[in-house]
Amino acid sequence: DIQVTQSPSSLSASAGDRVTITCRTSQSISDFLNWYLQKPGKAPQLLIYATSSLQDGVPSRFSGSGSGTHFTLTISGLQPEDFATYYCQQTFTTPPTFGQGTMVEIK
Amino acid sequence: QVHLQESGPGLVTPSQTLSLTCAVSGGSIKTGGFYWGWIRQHPGKGLEWIGYIYYNGESFYNPSLKSRVNISPDTSKSQFSLRLSSMTAADTAVYFCARARVGHSSPFDYWGQGTLVTVSP
Repeated sequence: DIQVTQSPSSLSASAGDRVTITCRTSQSISDFLNWYLQKPGKAPQLLIYATSSLQDGVPSRFSGSGSGTHFTLTISGLQPEDFATYYCQQTFTTPPTFGQGTMVEIK
Repeated sequence: QVHLQESGPGLVTPSQTLSLTCAVSGGSIKTGGFYWGWIRQHPGKGLEWIGYIYYNGESFYNPSLKSRVNISPDTSKSQFSLRLSSMTAADTAVYFCARARVGHSSPFDYWGQGTLVTVSP
């Protein structure tokens, strides 16, 4: 299985901050990388697919970039509703695997 | 708007088989373009892909669970089911059903709310 490692595992930030989360994979996955947000007690929500494509209805403050084994999710101007746990997922090979998550907390 | 809803027992005895159903509305599992699958999340942990099915009957499973898992469609009722045999405490988790788009990166774009399954005597 392809291993997916996110960093940091958690971070504290203030509303309005620019936040970057990194996802690294154990082998090259081209751009087969998705990002999700999960709030406590809720299902994950798709934010970005294929590394940089914004899912319909997702605010433009979310953006993704990268290729190969190194990917980033950036939130430009953190909003109160963005405090949550973020997961990346590779779908280059089966089984698709997820990172361990990055919890974004209020400073 | 596609809506998915899981149903099934919240408590399973060790060694039993778990059966969960996912009811789909606002979309059809009988047409191409989407996979219909299951993902689980152990308490306080990350996400684990269990498997999914395609409308033509093709199924894809996580090798770590393949010997114990079966996902099947019920097109007459627009739902699909998960069966996971030989349950142990390690299978205690929240189980989500979800839809994945076929194609580039196959993201899960719609999810059910999830159902907690506890394995205990």
